[in-house]
Amino acid sequence: AQKVTQAQTEISVVEKEDVTLDCVYETRDTTYYLFWYKQPPSGELVFLIRRNSFDEQNEISGRYSWNFQKSTSSFNFTITASQVVDSAVYFCAFFNQGGKLIFGQGTELSVKP
Amino acid sequence: GAVVSQHPSWVICKSGTSVKIECRSLDFQATTMFWYRQFPKQSLMLMATSNEGSKATYEQGVEKDKFLINHASLTLSTLTVTSAHPEDSSFYICSAREIGQATYEQYFGPGTRLTVT
Repeated sequence: AQKVTQAQTEISVVEKEDVTLDCVYETRDTTYYLFWYKQPPSGELVFLIRRNSFDEQNEISGRYSWNFQKSTSSFNFTITASQVVDSAVYFCAFFNQGGKLIFGQGTELSVKP
Repeated sequence: GAVVSQHPSWVICKSGTSVKIECRSLDFQATTMFWYRQFPKQSLMLMATSNEGSKATYEQGVEKDKFLINHASLTLSTLTVTSAHPEDSSFYICSAREIGQATYEQYFGPGTRLTVT
């Protein structure tokens, strides 16, 4: 069965701290895609990144970085120097060969001033 | 580009009534649209996949007679919650896949918050 696990339900940090959100997935597929989305209090999903299973290069976008390791089936997300505006629920998601997007349980990040 | 809208943004209805939620792709044509449901503090769960001009495919455990989905055009899909009950209160999110785009591409709408009293 394909599954995405975000073990951290809630994380609270103080502004300017670095924070890493964990994501572990299970699949037997060789071709798949992984995503991270941000869901602020308004509810609208904001796309952050997509990675395919053949590209293990880490990615950095401003204060955001992602570490994809197939050996551990993990796709972790780090926010450097967190800001209050980063407070949101973050979802890791897996796109399977059946054409469906499977979401993890989400991690609620609270960044306090 | 690739904007998906939902209407209404929020709706309150009485138990036993039906409510329709619209999902529109504003600047592209979508052969496939998806409907998700999200309960408070929970993840998004796929309810159904709809393809333009054909019947929707429902996920296991989703009652097709209760959640009617119509995808009559390449830019509009509707979800009708029939005989709504308080347990149907949830955040409903649609997404759309543009014609010719990779299968993993989905553009999400802003969501509709349904409260059944």
